[in-house]
Amino acid sequence: AQSVTQPDIHITVSEGASLELRCNYSYGATPYLFWYVQSPGQGLQLLLKYFSGDTLVQGIKGFEAEFKRSQSSFNLRKPSVHWSDAAEYFCAVGSLNTGGFKTIFGAGTRLFVKA
Amino acid sequence: NAGVMQNPRHLVRRRGQEARLRCSPMKGHSHVYWYRQLPEEGLKFMVYLQKENIIDESGMPKERFSAEFPKEGPSILRIQQVVRGDSAAYFCASSPTEETQYFGPGTRLLVL
Repeated sequence: AQSVTQPDIHITVSEGASLELRCNYSYGATPYLFWYVQSPGQGLQLLLKYFSGDTLVQGIKGFEAEFKRSQSSFNLRKPSVHWSDAAEYFCAVGSLNTGGFKTIFGAGTRLFVKA
Repeated sequence: NAGVMQNPRHLVRRRGQEARLRCSPMKGHSHVYWYRQLPEEGLKFMVYLQKENIIDESGMPKERFSAEFPKEGPSILRIQQVVRGDSAAYFCASSPTEETQYFGPGTRLLVL
């Protein structure tokens, strides 16, 4: 069965510092991988996705993520965090099967940015 | 192209009443997904629909919950005889090709 683990419930970084949010997944084949961001009271916005090809994926707002099959990971990174990046981040894994496409979300990592 | 629209954004119901949540997908999207988010948790899949068809409802409770996506009009998630445990944020997502989902702003349901 598919599963997604985000080991860090919350992370605090200083503005301007680098950021890495961890995501590990469990899935038998090559999965579809996503990172979403959710601001308070809002819906989810897609940051980036990986389906195949280059394992380093560029997204919006300066984010990138790297798919590492050997580690079953898809960590999200940003070289310099801005105060507006404070939000909740969700990693998700998707699979396509006879019942259609199903997406499983991690529990999320809340990012706090300090001045 | 307008994004996914959900209404109402906030809904208050008393125990035993019905809650009806609406989702208008993005233009050209024929796949609709409903998710529930409890406080401090991630999104849990409820149901996946295409026009006039329920494709996968494995995440939806067997009783009191139903969903539809008619040929015309928005997708509807209906919760009958609501209980306090139904209080949550309900998100709809639409997709043109199944894989990439675009989320609406959600409906926050509060059951008193």
